[in-house]
Amino acid sequence: EVQLVESGGGLVQPGGSLRLSCAASGFTFSSHWMTWVRQAPGKGLKWVANIKQDGSVKYHVDSVKGRFTISRDNANNSLFLQMSSLTAEDTAVYYCARESTVAGFFDVWGQGTLVTVSS
Amino acid sequence: DIVMTQSPDSLAVSLGERATINCKSSQSVLSSSNNKDHLAWYQQKPGQPPKLLIYWASTRESGVPDRFSGNGSGTDFTLTISSLQAEDVAVYYCLKYYGSKTFGQGTKVEIK
Repeated sequence: EVQLVESGGGLVQPGGSLRLSCAASGFTFSSHWMTWVRQAPGKGLKWVANIKQDGSVKYHVDSVKGRFTISRDNANNSLFLQMSSLTAEDTAVYYCARESTVAGFFDVWGQGTLVTVSS
Repeated sequence: DIVMTQSPDSLAVSLGERATINCKSSQSVLSSSNNKDHLAWYQQKPGQPPKLLIYWASTRESGVPDRFSGNGSGTDFTLTISSLQAEDVAVYYCLKYYGSKTFGQGTKVEIK
């Protein structure tokens, strides 16, 4: 079964850091671009970052550039999002998603992990 | 940056009736490399991750009921649910995946 399982979310103080992980199984992880998408409470979906199959190319949305870094470990089928200088505006459910090999849409999603930034 | 605007923000439709959601892009999402529109539609039910319904603007994902259809090209797209079922109550999002990824703001579909 194709599966993505996020972990690492939780409560963090403003200015703090957190590292999210996404464990992939059931498919050839190293064959896919991977993505993080977030959703603030009661709000819509927002793409955060993505990374090429070999990790050589990464893109981040402007609002997180310099604060968040996407990375991956193909040997362990894992995707990461290192987040720092967190603010209340970063409070959201963070989803890990697989990009289709056909094109850049997201065809498999994890259940998400909640990050709450609050004092 | 390309902006994706959906309309309406919400709609209520009677069971068995047609629901139509619009998505307008501020720039064309047609790729010159493959002559395809890089536009997808997702369904999100409460407490669940989004589910892919449509890609290439009109290609239905495997397993998606045929009452869901996508149309349009360039900058204007529609998602149609031909006969609304109770299980279709959800928020629907369009996604532009040509270059940077941008979602529409979402359209909430309810039963009238």
